[in-house]
Amino acid sequence: GENVEQHPSTLSVQEGDSAVIKCTYSDSASNYFPWYKQELGKGPQLIIDIRSNVGEKKDQRIAVTLNKTAKHFSLHITETQPEDSAVYFCARGGGSNYKLTFGKGTLLTVNP
Amino acid sequence: SAVISQKPSRDICQRGTSLTIQCQVDSQVTMMFWYRQQPGQSLTLIATANQGSEATYESGFVIDKFPISRPNLTFSTLTVSNMSPEDSSIYLCSVEFPSATPIETQYFGPGTRLLVL
Repeated sequence: GENVEQHPSTLSVQEGDSAVIKCTYSDSASNYFPWYKQELGKGPQLIIDIRSNVGEKKDQRIAVTLNKTAKHFSLHITETQPEDSAVYFCARGGGSNYKLTFGKGTLLTVNP
Repeated sequence: SAVISQKPSRDICQRGTSLTIQCQVDSQVTMMFWYRQQPGQSLTLIATANQGSEATYESGFVIDKFPISRPNLTFSTLTVSNMSPEDSSIYLCSVEFPSATPIETQYFGPGTRLLVL
């Protein structure tokens, strides 16, 4: 199937610490893995994505790693700031269709 | 960067009525999608809005309940018909742009927050 498991469901860190969110998927044909940040009252915002021909991608304090063999990918946020507090969703795409399948989300709280 | 807008941003409706939600993009897009996000939950795809033809619905969603229009490359509407309190959700449109890399990258509108009493 195309299920996506996301962990943890909630994550609380101190400002300046790192945060890691992990997702696993089941469809081995998946080849596109975006991450979205959703702040309260807003739509999801794409923050970083990775394709299956790349193992890691970094954009300033945000990085995503992909292990295709194990079928999991992770979001890493370093030097967290209070404005990083939001719900983060992973997703997978590709394979037999063009649609995205989303994880259940992680509520990240960065405590000042 | 392109702007994706939705109208209304929020609404409170009585059960049994219908609400039409608009999604407008300021540049042409290839694909347009409609999602539902129930309170505290993830995003569930309702349907793909196809230009000039009937929308493609996901399992559990039917055209009579969620009729969709897409008259051109920048605009789509989703109607929530004969509403019940269970339809209280955030409704989101998303789009794919022809110039995006990769092409399947989806960008979301701000959402429409619907409360049905």
